[in-house]
Amino acid sequence: QQQVKQSPQSLIVQKGGISIINCAYENTAFDYFPWYQQFPGKGPALLIAIRPDVSEKKEGRFTISFNKSAKQFSLHIMDSQPGDSATYFCASTNTGNQFYFGTGTSLTVIP
Amino acid sequence: GAVVSQHPSRVICKSGTSVKIECRSLDFQATTMFWYRQFPKQSLMLMATSNEGSKATYEQGVEKDKFLINHASLTLSTLTVTSAHPEDSSFYICSAITGIHEQYFGPGTRLTVT
Repeated sequence: QQQVKQSPQSLIVQKGGISIINCAYENTAFDYFPWYQQFPGKGPALLIAIRPDVSEKKEGRFTISFNKSAKQFSLHIMDSQPGDSATYFCASTNTGNQFYFGTGTSLTVIP
Repeated sequence: GAVVSQHPSRVICKSGTSVKIECRSLDFQATTMFWYRQFPKQSLMLMATSNEGSKATYEQGVEKDKFLINHASLTLSTLTVTSAHPEDSSFYICSAITGIHEQYFGPGTRLTVT
């Protein structure tokens, strides 16, 4: 059973637009929800993360929205730029012993 | 954020030889490190969990005798691919966990077995 489901698989957004990527998780014991950004040929980089005691976290143009009752969280990229074009992975974990990753979303921002 | 280095970034080896990949946490101590394998346009596949001073825990289907993991110190874990074959060619990525469960990844190692 897939612990974390991510959608969409790919996303094309105009420069300046809002990119939204969604994830849903199964295990209510998860207590840490990070998003990673990966460029081709590079390792993933921690972008932003949230814990379930808050419903939203914002860092610059990146915002995580968290809905505990629905077991869903999403990444919003405001004013999307061509440099944001990358693959984004959501993940979930409890205690940090094992991370469960989504299948990834390939984002393309068109100039 | 914390920094994790990985060496080498790219390696080409002949079939039947062994290759060692190093993963270091540069500015923090990591009791737990993970090793992943990633196929093109796919998500990360966990191979094993490496804990300092103890044997690694391998995921189902990962051959522990083929992928040797050593976590010798709180800042260093190594993955040795023994008797490599072309099907082992892949992108290998390590990560290290901080005390507050943040996971930081290395830049990855592209292994090509000819």
